This record gives sequence, C-alpha cells and structure tokens, in this order.
Amino acid sequence: DGGITQSPKYLFRKEGQNVTLSCEQNLNHDAMYWYRQDPGQGLRLIYYSQIVNDFQKGDIAEGYSVSREKKESFPLTVTSAQKNPTAFYLCASSSIAGATDTQYFGPGTRLTVL
Amino acid sequence: DQQVKQNSPSLSVQEGRISILNCDYTNSMFDYFLWYKKYPAEGPTFLISISSIKDKNEDGRFTVFLNKSAKHLSLHIVPSQPGDSAVYFCAAFSTGSSNTGKLIFGQGTTLQVKP
Repeated sequence: DGGITQSPKYLFRKEGQNVTLSCEQNLNHDAMYWYRQDPGQGLRLIYYSQIVNDFQKGDIAEGYSVSREKKESFPLTVTSAQKNPTAFYLCASSSIAGATDTQYFGPGTRLTVL
Repeated sequence: DQQVKQNSPSLSVQEGRISILNCDYTNSMFDYFLWYKKYPAEGPTFLISISSIKDKNEDGRFTVFLNKSAKHLSLHIVPSQPGDSAVYFCAAFSTGSSNTGKLIFGQGTTLQVKP
C-alpha cells in the first residue's frame, strides 16, 4: 500500500524539550510539506522540500527545523524556541512541486506540550 | 493577510438536500484550486480540483464552480449524505514560473448533514 505515514499519532512533551515528528512516504514523490493546523484555522505551511537535500521555509517556520536526507523521509523538529507548539501537525507530499499534482496528506500527529 | 477565505465556519443541511460551501480568494495569480475534506484527527483527503481555464468541474455528487471575475469558488454536494459531515478546506496555488507547489488554505467550513 502506497501512502504517507506519520508517527506517533499522539505525542506529549514537556515544555523546553525538542521533539521530532516523523514523516515517511513510499509514493516516490519528490516534494514534501509540513503544515500545522490550529482550531478554527486553516493549514499553515511550516517547511517544504522540492528535492532531496533542499528545503525552504514556509509561512511559519520560526521555532521549527527540518531535514531531507532521503527522498522518502522529511522529519520535523519542534524546538524549544517555538512559542506555541501544541497543535495538529500534518505532513504531505506531491509528485512534482509546482505542478497541479495533488498533495496527499498523512494522518497527522497531535503534539501536546505540557 | 488571508489570501483564501472561507467566511462560513459552519453549515448544517438536511440529508438529501444540497450543500454549498463557499470560498473567496484575493490573489489574482492563483490559477488552480482544490477542495479537501477532513475528518477529526485525520489528514485531509483530496476531493476535487479545478483549473482557472474552466468554470466548472464535476465528479459524482461533487461539483466545483469557479467565478474568476469575482474571485470566488464554491463546492456543491448533491445529494448530501451524513457521511459528508466533515471539515472542508478550500486551497489555491499559482502554477506560474515561481510556483513551488505551495498551497494556500482557507480556514475551513464544518459541514453537518443531518439524517
């Protein structure tokens, strides 16, 4: 089955700790994205990557970092610098960035910082 | 600056009737639009899309209409079913030369279809 997996589904961390959210895809997609969803708001783009070893900041990149060492993987680290880290995080991928190919989403990770 | 707006946070319709979800955009560079459906605690799933060269696209019970002059699109669901109850997001992007595939999402509209 091809798709996008995110783990874990629920994650709890203490304030001040960095945490890394996993995103893996076996769709052979070039482009991958990280979004954040907060209640009553749309999805906001954190980071995106069009190709391995390259990534760009989205609209709300402060307090986050990413890496793209493999085509299949695009982990997101929520650092202690992120002021409001509690949110639902969604990873997505598409075959070619910039084309009209649909972005497919993973199931999401709900991060709660205590 | 909200470039894609869904001004109705919620909508309630009776099963079998039509659901109309609206979306407005401000950026005239947007030329491709998508609708996603999202259940709680799950990722959004793609529903239907439309290119700016068209003004209508239909897929089964779902039809998207695009009015470029008004910078407005709408999603029609006919007939509505209880399983359609979800949050619907409108999204837009530009396929121009500087396009990076970045989707701009609206805030979402929660649709409730009552049996």
